[in-house]
Amino acid sequence: DTEVTQTPKHLVMGMTNKKSLKCEQHMGHRAMYWYKQKAKKPPELMFVYSYEKLSINESVPSRFSPECPNSSLLNLHLHALQPEDSALYLCASSQALGTLNHEQYFGPGTRLTVT
Amino acid sequence: DAKTTQPPSMDCAEGRAANLPCNHSTISGNEYVYWYRQIHSQGPQYIIHGLKNNETNEMASLIITEDRKSSTLILPHATLRDTAVYYCIVRVASGGSNYKLTFGKGTLLTVNP
Repeated sequence: DTEVTQTPKHLVMGMTNKKSLKCEQHMGHRAMYWYKQKAKKPPELMFVYSYEKLSINESVPSRFSPECPNSSLLNLHLHALQPEDSALYLCASSQALGTLNHEQYFGPGTRLTVT
Repeated sequence: DAKTTQPPSMDCAEGRAANLPCNHSTISGNEYVYWYRQIHSQGPQYIIHGLKNNETNEMASLIITEDRKSSTLILPHATLRDTAVYYCIVRVASGGSNYKLTFGKGTLLTVNP
């Protein structure tokens, strides 16, 4: 099973709402990632978790709050977002960081619209 | 990570080979060449990677020049489902920073019937 699942597929939220994006993998991967992709742009890394601990934060605003409850799950909590945060949010997983040549497996993404 | 340069778009006839070039003239000795693709409205998909030898798998072949300054991804018999943005990424093989996939603008490959 090389699948990364993400829910929901689509999300519309107001600027005062609180919502969460969910990601799940069952490949035994110990590294998980959040990327953001604006329309017609390449994906950009936001966060990296390694063994359920936040390893990398690419200077992401605090209105985005990641969480890794266990080795299979990754959440992204959203609060007080701005319309410019509308994007496709991609989750990925891979073998442990530092492992030689580990490829990242991506989920289908959550398309977020902030109104 | 070294930067890559790819043509913004290419066309290919269905059933023909698609050859996608990538320049990475500042690549370091410990950096691999990775290829991913992203079909519209889907997440990126890993295709293949290599260091200096040519590589082949069930999806594609990767040809890396001897000086490693450029490479070509070959889809031997392109189908309509291969229409996607193809990203060439240079990345260190291991160590603390090898988590990083830095996507460039990629090449939009359109396979025509």
